Amino acid sequence: DAGITQSPRHKVTETGTPVTLRCHQTENHRYMYWYRQDPGHGLRLIHYSYGVKDTDKGEVSDGYSVSRSKTEDFLLTLESATSSQTSVYFCAISPRSTSTDTQYFGPGTRLTVL
Amino acid sequence: DQQVKQNSPSLSVQEGRISILNCDYTNSMFDYFLWYKKYPAEGPTFLISISSIKDKNEDGRFTVFLNKSAKHLSLHIVPSQPGDSAVYFCAASGQGGSEKLVFGKGTKLTVNP
Repeated sequence: DAGITQSPRHKVTETGTPVTLRCHQTENHRYMYWYRQDPGHGLRLIHYSYGVKDTDKGEVSDGYSVSRSKTEDFLLTLESATSSQTSVYFCAISPRSTSTDTQYFGPGTRLTVL
Repeated sequence: DQQVKQNSPSLSVQEGRISILNCDYTNSMFDYFLWYKKYPAEGPTFLISISSIKDKNEDGRFTVFLNKSAKHLSLHIVPSQPGDSAVYFCAASGQGGSEKLVFGKGTKLTVNP
């Protein structure tokens, strides 16, 4: 298994509060991703990073920001959480050394916004 | 607009029989396709992939078929086992090594003993 951890694994928070989710990898992979999974929507890309301090938006980036100050850590921040951000969040990593590299996923963080 | 479609939300098969999961895509620029398997409360795990230069890729009990003209791929599991019960996601990426994967909504496979 790829060395990916996510913290926290579960979180309950209130509307309007800031929330930060952390993804940590031990594989030294260049690319890191944040997805959310919701019933009826599959996996949707929020943001991704292609190197330290290099990030780009995904399909559903509104309301989210990211930061990557070290190769091994990729943070996802909800500046002011809303109930629509209740979801399961997955981090993924990829070496992207070839065009056919796959992505490896972490165990997920279940976030509930009340 | 959904670029990767898995039109069957669920599929139920008997142990030992073949499971066929289908996936359609609309973007002709996609050239690399993957299947992921997901158990409850776990992250998706990579299962098998296929490049657009091939029409078949096999790995043990799992075979993926790609029909580029129909923009259709399928995952065959033979023989199906109860441990294969999971949600299966189809994903695609674009030409030139796009760093982004586009996922379908998933198909829940149940293999009955």
